[in-house]
Amino acid sequence: AQTVTQSQPEMSVQEAETVTLSCTYDTSESDYYLFWYKQPPSRQMILVIRQEAYKQQNATENRFSVNFQKAAKSFSLKISDSQLGDAAMYFCAYRSGNQFYFGTGTSLTVIP
Amino acid sequence: DAGITQSPRYKITETGRQVTLMCHQTWSHSYMFWYRQDLGHGLRLIYYSAAADITDKGEVPDGYVVSRSKTENFPLTLESATRSQTSVYFCASTRGGASNQPQHFGDGTRLSIL
Repeated sequence: AQTVTQSQPEMSVQEAETVTLSCTYDTSESDYYLFWYKQPPSRQMILVIRQEAYKQQNATENRFSVNFQKAAKSFSLKISDSQLGDAAMYFCAYRSGNQFYFGTGTSLTVIP
Repeated sequence: DAGITQSPRYKITETGRQVTLMCHQTWSHSYMFWYRQDLGHGLRLIYYSAAADITDKGEVPDGYVVSRSKTENFPLTLESATRSQTSVYFCASTRGGASNQPQHFGDGTRLSIL
């Protein structure tokens, strides 16, 4: 069974600094997709970034980028130039076919 | 506006009562999902549906019932609510057969059972 592990329940970062959130997953599939979602206190689930497993190039969306290591089954999220609005719960998710699996989340605090 | 909407946003009820959470999406997505979110557990799948009249159990289906008579609606019913079902419930949808597509989520329903 596929599992997604976020080993850091809480993280903190100084404003304007860089932080990396970890995610590992377990799968025997070769074709899958990975996502990071942000959940601010408003409770909305907001897509941050996605990565196709067949792509070697790491995805980037403005200040957000991933470090995708397929062999290691690792999918970390790097947030550069952290802003107060980045404070949220972050969830890593894995999709294979039409099944989705989520990690337990990392709560990110941004310190002014 | 197009999107996925859940109602109600907040609900308080008593143990033993039946409660239905509504979910409506305007994208004609084939797949819809219900999750519950609890501290320390992340999102846990309750039920999902691949199309109208097709539903299947997820990780934590006990105590819940779903139906999907129309593609756009996917209500979740707690037939006899228990305190352990106090949680935040999220509905989500996605296109089938397009695996690079993420799930799109509603804003959630905070359900408290007294």
